[in-house]
Amino acid sequence: DSGVTQTPKHLITATGQRVTLRCSPRSGDLSVYWYQQSLDQGLQFLIQYYNGEERAKGNILERFSAQQFPDLHSELNLSSLELGDSALYFCASSEGVGDRGFKGFNYGYTFGSGTRLTVV
Amino acid sequence: SQELEQSPQSLIVQEGKNLTINCTSSKTLYGLYWYKQKYGEGLIFLMMLQKGGEEKSHEKITAKLDEKKQQSSLHITASQPSHAGIYLCGADIRKTGNQFYFGTGTSLTVIP
Repeated sequence: DSGVTQTPKHLITATGQRVTLRCSPRSGDLSVYWYQQSLDQGLQFLIQYYNGEERAKGNILERFSAQQFPDLHSELNLSSLELGDSALYFCASSEGVGDRGFKGFNYGYTFGSGTRLTVV
Repeated sequence: SQELEQSPQSLIVQEGKNLTINCTSSKTLYGLYWYKQKYGEGLIFLMMLQKGGEEKSHEKITAKLDEKKQQSSLHITASQPSHAGIYLCGADIRKTGNQFYFGTGTSLTVIP
């Protein structure tokens, strides 16, 4: 267990629907990052929050939104889902502001196990 | 213990030298990804391997997947300072359900 909890682990939904993915960061971490991994595109940075505020934005579609709550958990909302939105969605956390990159497992930047979203 | 172990953890090489980074899984690999992060930047997707024995190359970087050994290697030929950064493997490891894991990372420094 990495300490970063993502729920649900699997999600199957129909096109046009809306889903919410949840991430609880590792205890003490203030930054939460969201990534999308599709089969052919690798890991794509979506958005970062630090202590409740949006810190950095990547390739996040307008149909997607996220927020970080006072207890530091974060939710990624995906709406008007399309078949192409099927992917693994990862959350990661780090103690500080950091940057949107990965600094290695031993450097305080921890990934969750992901939510596998299938849109049918 | 880690599902994906990378070795070495860090590597310092002279410019022009060849090097290899390994990623070993404790479980069967179903799809393996290699990423690179330049210091201060985001993750860069390098390549993905799916089939045992598959080998892919991009410029001076070659990756192979040995399914039997549950291992992948990333080989850089004639290293350059631009190759410096952290290399990360990621893999889809099926246990009771599909789960994706990242490796422990390898920090590469190339000395001009």
